[in-house]
Amino acid sequence: EVQLVESGGGLVKPGGSLRLSCAASGFSFSHYTMHWVRQAPGKGLEWVSSISSSGAYIDYLDSLKGRFTISRDNAENSLFLQINSLRADDTAVYYCARDQPTENFGVIVQENNNYFDSWGQGTLVTVSS
Amino acid sequence: DIQMTQSPSSLYASVGDRVTITCRASQPITTYLNWYQQKPGKAPKLLIFAASSLHSGVPSRFSGSGSGTDFTLTISRLQPEDFASYYCQQSYSLPPTFGQGTKVEI
Repeated sequence: EVQLVESGGGLVKPGGSLRLSCAASGFSFSHYTMHWVRQAPGKGLEWVSSISSSGAYIDYLDSLKGRFTISRDNAENSLFLQINSLRADDTAVYYCARDQPTENFGVIVQENNNYFDSWGQGTLVTVSS
Repeated sequence: DIQMTQSPSSLYASVGDRVTITCRASQPITTYLNWYQQKPGKAPKLLIFAASSLHSGVPSRFSGSGSGTDFTLTISRLQPEDFASYYCQQSYSLPPTFGQGTKVEI
């Protein structure tokens, strides 16, 4: 069973930093593109960032570039999101999500399709003084 | 960025009703359109990908259609567990973007 478990959220003052983690199990983590998606309280979903299976390809929402850094450790089956210079509008539940690849007879033929077939339960980041 | 607009924002329905939610993209996205269900306090779940393909384990009462800019999610006979929020999402180009959501209420 695919499991994604986020951690690292909490209450932080404006200007502070946090490092979110996502522990993956139940699948070959090193073969999958992974994403972070966030949801402000009572609001909709917003894609944050993605990282390819090897870590070679990384993308960010333009408005977050420079403050957010995505990374992964395939040996530890873990995904990370470093957030610096936190602002009140970063307050949200942060989800890690797995990209659904295209497979042909069990072989991945296209790694990233930019939609999300498995999600963690989320970790809440609250930015407030 | 491609903007996704859902309608309605909320709707009231009863068990057994047929429910249709629409999603419009700000530019053509062929069939790069996906649907998610989210219940309060829970993570979203993938229902439909590529406009009309049912994700593994999703009941067949859910269906999707459309191409280009206009898409629909249909629940053929609403069940009690279907009361939730639904989001469309385009995967045609980066950044992936979501509609604002449709809340299906009793």
